[in-house]
Amino acid sequence: AQSVTQLDSQVPVFEEAPVELRCNYSSSVSVYLFWYVQYPNQGLQLLLKYLSGSTLVKSINGFEAEFNKSQTSFHLRKPSVHISDTAEYFCAVEGSYIPTFGRGTSLIVHP
Amino acid sequence: DVKVTQSSRYLVKRTGEKVFLECVQDMDHENMFWYRQDPGLGLRLIYFSYDVKMKEKGDIPEGYSVSREKKERFSLILESASTNQTSMYLCASSWAGQRYSQPQHFGDGTRLSIL
Repeated sequence: AQSVTQLDSQVPVFEEAPVELRCNYSSSVSVYLFWYVQYPNQGLQLLLKYLSGSTLVKSINGFEAEFNKSQTSFHLRKPSVHISDTAEYFCAVEGSYIPTFGRGTSLIVHP
Repeated sequence: DVKVTQSSRYLVKRTGEKVFLECVQDMDHENMFWYRQDPGLGLRLIYFSYDVKMKEKGDIPEGYSVSREKKERFSLILESASTNQTSMYLCASSWAGQRYSQPQHFGDGTRLSIL
């Protein structure tokens, strides 16, 4: 069985400030990890993924996440957020063919 | 770019009606999924399909059925709609080439209201 916990349901932050969205998982097998973003009135889009190799993965729009096996975490970070980053972020784990999603974290960027 | 198209963005139906939600993908993906999304609960898997005419129950299949007659199309059916099925429904597809680790591609969702 696998599960995902996103520790914060909502994260408010000012523009240009750094942000971290936390994700912890549990699984009895090796896992693949994903972060998806959902902008208002849209479906989910893949932001970044960890499959193997380097534990630090990056997206094209400045987000990065680090796979920490000992802490079973895959936290998402960005050093300086923009208003346009306001969205819902979902962490997902896949280890047994079907992914399991966390409950989501709403990132709210204030000017 | 992969395109997953859900037939309706908004839908209003009455209690007891049979409701069809349609999803079409254009990338020849083997896997297709139906989720419902509710505030504070994230995405919950209703059904998935890994091949034509094949289907597997997800976490919350009660009150729903699915149909996959063609590879590109996956339909979700609410046999007798109830108010507790008011929700956002998301369809997704993915390639099964390596069995694991393929990210999903999502449609824009159908916001269904049952009155």
